[in-house]
Amino acid sequence: KQEVTQIPAALSVPEGENLVLNCSFTDSAIYNLQWFRQDPGKGLTSLLLIQSSQREQTSGRLNASLDKSSGRSTLYIAASQPGDSATYLCAVNSRVGGKLIFGQGTELSVKP
Amino acid sequence: KAGVTQTPRYLIKTRGQQVTLSCSPISGHRSVSWYQQTPGQGLQFLFEYFSETQRNKGNFPGRFSGRQFSNSRSEMNVSTLELGDSALYLCASSLDGDLTEAFFGQGTRLTVV
Repeated sequence: KQEVTQIPAALSVPEGENLVLNCSFTDSAIYNLQWFRQDPGKGLTSLLLIQSSQREQTSGRLNASLDKSSGRSTLYIAASQPGDSATYLCAVNSRVGGKLIFGQGTELSVKP
Repeated sequence: KAGVTQTPRYLIKTRGQQVTLSCSPISGHRSVSWYQQTPGQGLQFLFEYFSETQRNKGNFPGRFSGRQFSNSRSEMNVSTLELGDSALYLCASSLDGDLTEAFFGQGTRLTVV
């Protein structure tokens, strides 16, 4: 059974710092992994999608990596800003027909 | 282009009632998935529809059901509401449900009193 874990559960950093969020999964048989951002009470905003054959994806200040063999992904945020404050979720597509399995998220707070 | 639209945004229902939530996917997307989000359980998969067929179902009781129409719009129904059904219900659309990016709506906040 696929399980997804995110560490840490919460993170507080000063503005301008570079940071890394971690995501691990137990079954390497995945189609892809997706990182999302969620603001309080809102829906999920897709940040990056990494296919199982890819090693990393970049979008602006965000870089996500995938090591399928070790069951790990990281989301690197460069030069963090207060507007980056949100909960970050990773999800794996577990090859079971449109089902995303989510981690519990990392709540990020960037202090001015 | 328009994103995923969920209606209504907020609902308050009484225990024992039933409720129907609606999701309009991004134009051209044929897969719609539904998720329940609660503080204790996080995001849990309810079911996925592709071209009007349910392809996958999560571990929820039969009170939770759904359907998809020929225009890919989807509805989710919960009968005999319980207090524990209070949650944020999110739907996601994608081209094929497997290999392509999933886009989420803003959710429907359901409160059962």
